[in-house]
Amino acid sequence: GAVVSQHPSRVICKSGTSVKIECRSLDFQATTMFWYRQFPKKSLMLMATSNEGSKATYEQGVEKDKFLINHASLTLSTLTVTSAHPEDSSFYICSARRQANTEAFFGQGTRLTVV
Amino acid sequence: AQKVTQAQTEISVVEKEDVTLDCVYETRDTTYYLFWYKQPPSGELVFLIRRNSFDEQNEISGRYSWNFQKSTSSFNFTITASQVVDSAVYFCALTGRGTDKLIFGTGTRLQVFP
Repeated sequence: GAVVSQHPSRVICKSGTSVKIECRSLDFQATTMFWYRQFPKKSLMLMATSNEGSKATYEQGVEKDKFLINHASLTLSTLTVTSAHPEDSSFYICSARRQANTEAFFGQGTRLTVV
Repeated sequence: AQKVTQAQTEISVVEKEDVTLDCVYETRDTTYYLFWYKQPPSGELVFLIRRNSFDEQNEISGRYSWNFQKSTSSFNFTITASQVVDSAVYFCALTGRGTDKLIFGTGTRLQVFP
């Protein structure tokens, strides 16, 4: 299957700082990338959908000013958690797909801990 | 509205047992796509299978098999002769034609004991 690389895999940051998470499709061009959040022992919650060159579409209840998403190229999307707080601590996962209705391939996930 | 239900929260089996993970979906779309993903303890989701709504043939891949039944809106996943390495959370997911969203079920945690 296709490879999606997410970096970093783990990050610990202080309250009030910002953290950037990168998602790269290594061997294909991703027209769409998705960002999910997963709480312990829970399912994946879609945060936003990003298409290259356009603004991300955020799900209801997700603060777009807090979770900044940039999809600068067909192989890279970034999620920046701004002014992080302990309640932002979670597992964040990105996925990418070539085109609509095809399988999405997921990154390794990033475990964010805000202290 | 689209919805995926995985009623089994946790399943425990002993190695070499067969196990079936249930998935029931709801959608108004006539064209839709169903997926299964595996999430081992490492966290990364691994794609297992994609099935479109027009293809009701069952699929077998090694010890894995999938039973798609449109009449009952189910897409069940069976692992034959389970192994400890099969221990993971398994997610069923659904997307409809023309939509970007992949709707996930709540997942089934499978534990295979030696």
